[in-house]
Amino acid sequence: GAVVSQHPSRVICKSGTSVKIECRSLDFQATTMFWYRQFPKQSLMLMATSNEGSKATYEQGVEKDKFLINHASLTLSTLTVTSAHPEDSSFYICSASPAGGYEQYFGPGTRLTVT
Amino acid sequence: QQQVKQSPQSLIVQKGGISIINCAYENTAFDYFPWYQQFPGKGPALLIAIRPDVSEKKEGRFTISFNKSAKQFSLHIMDSQPGDSATYFCAASPDRGGGKLIFGQGTELSVKP
Repeated sequence: GAVVSQHPSRVICKSGTSVKIECRSLDFQATTMFWYRQFPKQSLMLMATSNEGSKATYEQGVEKDKFLINHASLTLSTLTVTSAHPEDSSFYICSASPAGGYEQYFGPGTRLTVT
Repeated sequence: QQQVKQSPQSLIVQKGGISIINCAYENTAFDYFPWYQQFPGKGPALLIAIRPDVSEKKEGRFTISFNKSAKQFSLHIMDSQPGDSATYFCAASPDRGGGKLIFGQGTELSVKP
């Protein structure tokens, strides 16, 4: 099956610092990657869609200057949470779609805690 | 309307029983309907998916039933096991949505031994 990895799995940072989360498709090339945020006991909220080599498309209400997304290659996308604050604490999950496919394969998620 | 409505919110089933989760949608442009299983602290895993050109798809103990005219689809888990206890999400994707998935609210399934 298609495998997507995320790193780190957990991160704790101080308020005001920036955190980078990596998402990699390990056994397929992903033309499109997605970033989600999930609060406890809630559904997944799409933050942005990124296509390799182009700017990410952000969902309404998501601050693009705060959540920087880079999709530098067909196997790697990064999410940088800039100037993190406690309200940014959440579970961040990426997904990737292979070229020409409908399926989205999710990474294991990153638990971000901002103190 | 971009929403996907999922029910029930929680479900308790005895081991060996059938678990049924339902989803409904409004947007007729949706043409891909996956189901995901998520364990606590993990990312969702793709279970099974269906396109509107078929009314049913079965993979092992998991079956999707799809009713295009009613704009409803459901997941049936046969012979439910305690290891199936997880949160299940339905989703839908429009054909020109760039692959964007619209998720249901989720169903927390508990299978009692």
